[in-house]
Amino acid sequence: ETGVTQSPTHLIKTRGQQVTLRCSSQSGHNTVSWYQQALGQGPQFIFQYYREEENGRGNFPPRFSGLQFPNYSSELNVNALELDDSALYLCASSHRRETNYGYTFGSGTRLTVV
Amino acid sequence: QKEVEQDPGPLSVPEGAIVSLNCTYSNSAFQYFMWYRQYSRKGPELLMYTYSSGNKEDGRFTAQVDKSSKYISLFIRDSQPSDSATYLCAMSGPNQGGKLIFGQGTELSVKP
Repeated sequence: ETGVTQSPTHLIKTRGQQVTLRCSSQSGHNTVSWYQQALGQGPQFIFQYYREEENGRGNFPPRFSGLQFPNYSSELNVNALELDDSALYLCASSHRRETNYGYTFGSGTRLTVV
Repeated sequence: QKEVEQDPGPLSVPEGAIVSLNCTYSNSAFQYFMWYRQYSRKGPELLMYTYSSGNKEDGRFTAQVDKSSKYISLFIRDSQPSDSATYLCAMSGPNQGGKLIFGQGTELSVKP
């Protein structure tokens, strides 16, 4: 199977709830990065996972956390959801960490917080 | 001030027009410069990347980087309706941990 797949494609949550988003990386890729894209904005880096450990983090609070599994798939968890967390969440995989351009993006999960 | 600035548009052009998309940036450490295309309800797709200054051409697309001015451009020749999408510039460099810094995106519409 090729490409990056994300699930679910859409979901609606209530403020204060918790959410888990999932990502399967492209075959042969061992690094996963997560981005948040608010409406009308460019993606913002949340964090990157390599060999099941966080490899770098953007300017996001600790309620944003993640996991990477031995098969390189990944989860993004967001606790205590806020209205401003409404966005498209993108997963990108690459064949090595700290690559500057070798990313493949998934189609994203559209999260709406009400 | 954002690290990367991009005119959000929207930009509307007739089919066959030459399109110019631009970004400016403030971090002189950036060395890799990329253009992504994002169709509605899809993730970004890498169009072109350039290392350091210079030009790069791929079919109807030309990317230019001027590091002295901290300015990058993407030119689309003979634009087609299928080029209608949001175009995102992105940048990276050493010690960025693989993090890409994106511009806001420019929404382009090519009218038949």
